[in-house]
Amino acid sequence: GQQLNQSPQSMFIQEGEDVSMNCTSSSIFNTWLWYKQDPGEGPVLLIALYKAGELTSNGRLTAQFGITRKDSFLNISASIPSDVGIYFCAGPSGNTGKLIFGQGTTLQVKP
Amino acid sequence: KAGVTQTPRYLIKTRGQQVTLSCSPISGHRSVSWYQQTPGQGLQFLFEYFSETQRNKGNFPGRFSGRQFSNSRSEMNVSTLELGDSALYLCASSFYPGASTDTQYFGPGTRLTVL
Repeated sequence: GQQLNQSPQSMFIQEGEDVSMNCTSSSIFNTWLWYKQDPGEGPVLLIALYKAGELTSNGRLTAQFGITRKDSFLNISASIPSDVGIYFCAGPSGNTGKLIFGQGTTLQVKP
Repeated sequence: KAGVTQTPRYLIKTRGQQVTLSCSPISGHRSVSWYQQTPGQGLQFLFEYFSETQRNKGNFPGRFSGRQFSNSRSEMNVSTLELGDSALYLCASSFYPGASTDTQYFGPGTRLTVL
Protein backbone atom coordinates (compact mmCIF):
# COMPACT_ATOMS: atom_id res chain seq x y z
CA GLY A 1 0.00 0.00 0.00
CA GLN A 2 0.92 3.64 -0.09
CA GLN A 3 3.46 4.78 2.44
CA LEU A 4 5.06 8.08 3.30
CA ASN A 5 8.63 8.13 4.56
CA GLN A 6 9.37 11.21 6.60
CA SER A 7 12.80 12.37 7.70
CA PRO A 8 14.46 13.17 9.90
CA GLN A 9 12.66 11.35 12.71
CA SER A 10 13.70 14.00 15.23
CA MET A 11 15.61 17.25 15.38
CA PHE A 12 17.07 19.22 18.25
CA ILE A 13 18.05 22.72 17.21
CA GLN A 14 18.97 26.09 18.63
CA GLU A 15 16.45 28.92 18.59
CA GLY A 16 16.91 31.03 15.48
CA GLU A 17 18.11 28.19 13.28
CA ASP A 18 16.34 27.13 10.10
CA VAL A 19 14.77 23.67 9.88
CA SER A 20 14.13 21.44 6.91
CA MET A 21 12.24 18.16 6.76
CA ASN A 22 10.98 16.06 3.91
CA CYS A 23 8.57 13.38 2.94
CA THR A 24 8.90 10.84 0.14
CA SER A 25 6.69 8.20 -1.38
CA SER A 26 7.06 5.43 -3.92
CA SER A 27 3.69 6.40 -5.38
CA ILE A 28 2.21 9.64 -6.65
CA PHE A 29 0.16 11.93 -4.45
CA ASN A 30 -2.09 14.64 -5.86
CA THR A 31 -2.19 16.60 -2.63
CA TRP A 32 0.38 17.10 0.08
CA LEU A 33 -0.58 18.31 3.54
CA TRP A 34 1.65 19.38 6.41
CA TYR A 35 0.32 19.25 9.96
CA LYS A 36 1.75 20.13 13.36
CA GLN A 37 0.67 18.35 16.51
CA ASP A 38 1.18 19.55 20.05
CA PRO A 39 1.11 17.03 22.92
CA GLY A 40 -2.41 15.81 23.68
CA GLU A 41 -3.95 17.76 20.81
CA GLY A 42 -5.08 16.99 17.29
CA PRO A 43 -2.95 17.83 14.24
CA VAL A 44 -3.32 21.39 13.01
CA LEU A 45 -3.07 22.03 9.29
CA LEU A 46 -0.09 24.22 8.41
CA ILE A 47 0.10 24.14 4.64
CA ALA A 48 -1.80 22.40 1.85
CA LEU A 49 -0.25 21.84 -1.58
CA TYR A 50 -2.35 20.92 -4.60
CA LYS A 51 -0.11 21.27 -7.67
CA ALA A 52 3.22 19.72 -8.60
CA GLY A 53 6.00 22.29 -8.25
CA GLU A 54 3.87 24.52 -6.02
CA LEU A 55 5.73 26.51 -3.38
CA THR A 56 3.55 27.88 -0.57
CA SER A 57 4.39 29.93 2.50
CA ASN A 58 2.62 30.45 5.79
CA GLY A 59 4.58 32.93 7.85
CA ARG A 60 7.97 31.42 8.60
CA LEU A 61 6.91 28.12 7.07
CA THR A 62 7.46 27.22 3.44
CA ALA A 63 6.48 23.96 1.78
CA GLN A 64 6.98 22.63 -1.71
CA PHE A 65 5.16 19.99 -3.75
CA GLY A 66 7.82 18.02 -5.61
CA ILE A 67 7.58 18.00 -9.40
CA THR A 68 7.60 14.19 -9.46
CA ARG A 69 4.57 14.25 -7.10
CA LYS A 70 6.42 11.75 -4.94
CA ASP A 71 7.93 14.14 -2.43
CA SER A 72 7.39 17.29 -0.44
CA PHE A 73 9.52 19.54 1.76
CA LEU A 74 8.77 21.75 4.74
CA ASN A 75 11.12 24.49 5.85
CA ILE A 76 10.86 26.57 9.01
CA SER A 77 12.95 29.70 9.15
CA ALA A 78 14.27 31.37 12.31
CA SER A 79 12.82 28.77 14.68
CA ILE A 80 11.30 29.84 17.98
CA PRO A 81 10.42 27.79 21.09
CA SER A 82 6.73 27.52 20.14
CA ASP A 83 7.74 25.60 17.00
CA VAL A 84 8.27 22.59 19.26
CA GLY A 85 6.01 19.70 18.34
CA ILE A 86 5.56 16.85 15.90
CA TYR A 87 5.28 17.65 12.21
CA PHE A 88 3.47 15.24 9.91
CA CYS A 89 3.21 15.07 6.17
CA ALA A 90 0.07 13.49 4.77
CA GLY A 91 -1.63 12.77 1.49
CA PRO A 92 -4.98 11.34 0.42
CA SER A 93 -5.17 7.75 -0.73
CA GLY A 94 -6.65 7.99 -4.19
CA ASN A 95 -9.88 9.94 -4.41
CA THR A 96 -10.90 9.15 -0.86
CA GLY A 97 -10.99 10.80 2.50
CA LYS A 98 -8.38 8.42 3.81
CA LEU A 99 -5.16 10.24 4.64
CA ILE A 100 -1.82 8.46 4.66
CA PHE A 101 0.53 9.94 7.25
CA GLY A 102 4.29 10.00 7.56
CA GLN A 103 5.85 8.83 10.80
CA GLY A 104 6.36 12.40 11.97
CA THR A 105 9.35 14.62 12.73
CA THR A 106 9.73 15.62 16.36
CA LEU A 107 11.19 19.09 16.65
CA GLN A 108 12.77 20.43 19.81
CA VAL A 109 14.05 23.99 20.02
CA LYS A 110 16.58 25.08 22.60
CA PRO A 111 16.12 28.70 23.71
CA LYS B 1 -16.29 29.49 12.59
CA ALA B 2 -16.09 26.73 15.19
CA GLY B 3 -13.64 23.93 14.58
CA VAL B 4 -14.13 20.20 14.86
CA THR B 5 -15.31 19.24 18.32
CA GLN B 6 -14.92 15.87 19.97
CA THR B 7 -16.46 14.58 23.16
CA PRO B 8 -15.45 13.45 25.62
CA ARG B 9 -11.82 14.61 25.68
CA TYR B 10 -10.74 11.92 28.11
CA LEU B 11 -12.17 8.52 28.90
CA ILE B 12 -11.10 5.65 31.14
CA LYS B 13 -12.66 2.24 30.63
CA THR B 14 -11.91 -1.31 31.65
CA ARG B 15 -11.34 -4.32 29.42
CA GLY B 16 -14.52 -5.80 28.00
CA GLN B 17 -16.52 -2.59 28.19
CA GLN B 18 -17.69 -0.64 25.21
CA VAL B 19 -17.29 3.04 24.42
CA THR B 20 -18.89 5.63 22.14
CA LEU B 21 -17.03 8.71 20.96
CA SER B 22 -18.65 11.70 19.31
CA CYS B 23 -17.50 14.14 16.66
CA SER B 24 -19.13 17.32 15.36
CA PRO B 25 -17.59 18.53 12.09
CA ILE B 26 -16.98 22.09 11.00
CA SER B 27 -20.22 23.71 9.90
CA GLY B 28 -20.86 22.90 6.26
CA HIS B 29 -18.51 19.92 6.17
CA ARG B 30 -20.23 16.70 5.19
CA SER B 31 -17.36 14.26 5.47
CA VAL B 32 -15.99 12.84 8.70
CA SER B 33 -13.00 10.53 9.03
CA TRP B 34 -11.70 8.80 12.14
CA TYR B 35 -8.11 7.95 12.99
CA GLN B 36 -6.40 6.09 15.80
CA GLN B 37 -3.06 7.40 17.00
CA THR B 38 -0.68 5.33 19.10
CA PRO B 39 3.05 5.77 19.77
CA GLY B 40 3.87 2.50 18.05
CA GLN B 41 1.64 2.66 14.97
CA GLY B 42 1.30 6.38 14.41
CA LEU B 43 -1.85 7.72 12.78
CA GLN B 44 -3.99 5.00 11.28
CA PHE B 45 -7.21 5.43 9.34
CA LEU B 46 -10.32 3.85 10.85
CA PHE B 47 -13.19 4.87 8.58
CA GLU B 48 -14.69 7.67 6.54
CA TYR B 49 -18.30 8.79 6.33
CA PHE B 50 -20.00 11.02 3.82
CA SER B 51 -23.72 11.72 3.66
CA GLU B 52 -24.43 9.10 6.33
CA THR B 53 -22.66 6.39 4.32
CA GLN B 54 -19.41 4.68 5.14
CA ARG B 55 -17.17 5.20 2.13
CA ASN B 56 -13.97 3.62 3.33
CA LYS B 57 -12.82 1.45 6.17
CA GLY B 58 -9.34 0.84 7.49
CA ASN B 59 -7.82 -2.41 8.60
CA PHE B 60 -9.40 -2.68 12.04
CA PRO B 61 -11.47 -5.49 13.58
CA GLY B 62 -15.24 -5.44 13.54
CA ARG B 63 -15.27 -4.26 17.15
CA PHE B 64 -14.70 -0.80 15.69
CA SER B 65 -17.78 0.70 14.11
CA GLY B 66 -19.18 4.09 13.34
CA ARG B 67 -22.07 6.00 11.92
CA GLN B 68 -22.96 9.44 10.67
CA PHE B 69 -26.16 11.33 11.24
CA SER B 70 -28.09 13.58 8.89
CA ASN B 71 -26.52 16.69 10.47
CA SER B 72 -23.07 15.22 9.62
CA ARG B 73 -22.21 14.54 13.25
CA SER B 74 -20.51 11.19 13.67
CA GLU B 75 -20.01 8.62 16.38
CA MET B 76 -17.62 5.74 16.63
CA ASN B 77 -18.07 2.75 18.87
CA VAL B 78 -15.58 0.25 20.17
CA SER B 79 -16.99 -2.89 21.77
CA THR B 80 -15.26 -5.41 24.01
CA LEU B 81 -12.38 -3.08 24.75
CA GLU B 82 -8.84 -4.44 24.84
CA LEU B 83 -5.76 -2.91 26.44
CA GLY B 84 -4.37 -2.22 22.98
CA ASP B 85 -7.29 0.05 22.19
CA SER B 86 -5.78 2.71 24.42
CA ALA B 87 -5.04 5.56 22.05
CA LEU B 88 -5.86 9.06 20.95
CA TYR B 89 -8.88 8.89 18.65
CA LEU B 90 -9.01 11.73 16.19
CA CYS B 91 -11.84 12.93 14.03
CA ALA B 92 -11.32 15.01 10.90
CA SER B 93 -13.85 16.79 8.73
CA SER B 94 -13.84 18.12 5.19
CA PHE B 95 -16.26 19.33 2.53
CA TYR B 96 -16.03 16.57 0.00
CA PRO B 97 -13.51 13.76 0.16
CA GLY B 98 -11.71 12.97 -3.03
CA ALA B 99 -11.97 16.47 -4.47
CA SER B 100 -8.56 17.65 -5.61
CA THR B 101 -8.54 20.57 -3.22
CA ASP B 102 -10.29 18.90 -0.31
CA THR B 103 -8.51 19.35 3.01
CA GLN B 104 -9.15 17.67 6.33
CA TYR B 105 -9.25 19.53 9.63
CA PHE B 106 -8.78 17.64 12.86
CA GLY B 107 -10.45 17.88 16.23
CA PRO B 108 -8.54 17.78 19.54
CA GLY B 109 -9.11 14.06 19.94
CA THR B 110 -10.45 11.77 22.63
CA ARG B 111 -7.84 10.13 24.83
CA LEU B 112 -9.08 6.63 25.64
CA THR B 113 -7.35 4.64 28.34
CA VAL B 114 -8.30 0.99 28.81
CA LEU B 115 -7.38 -0.57 32.16
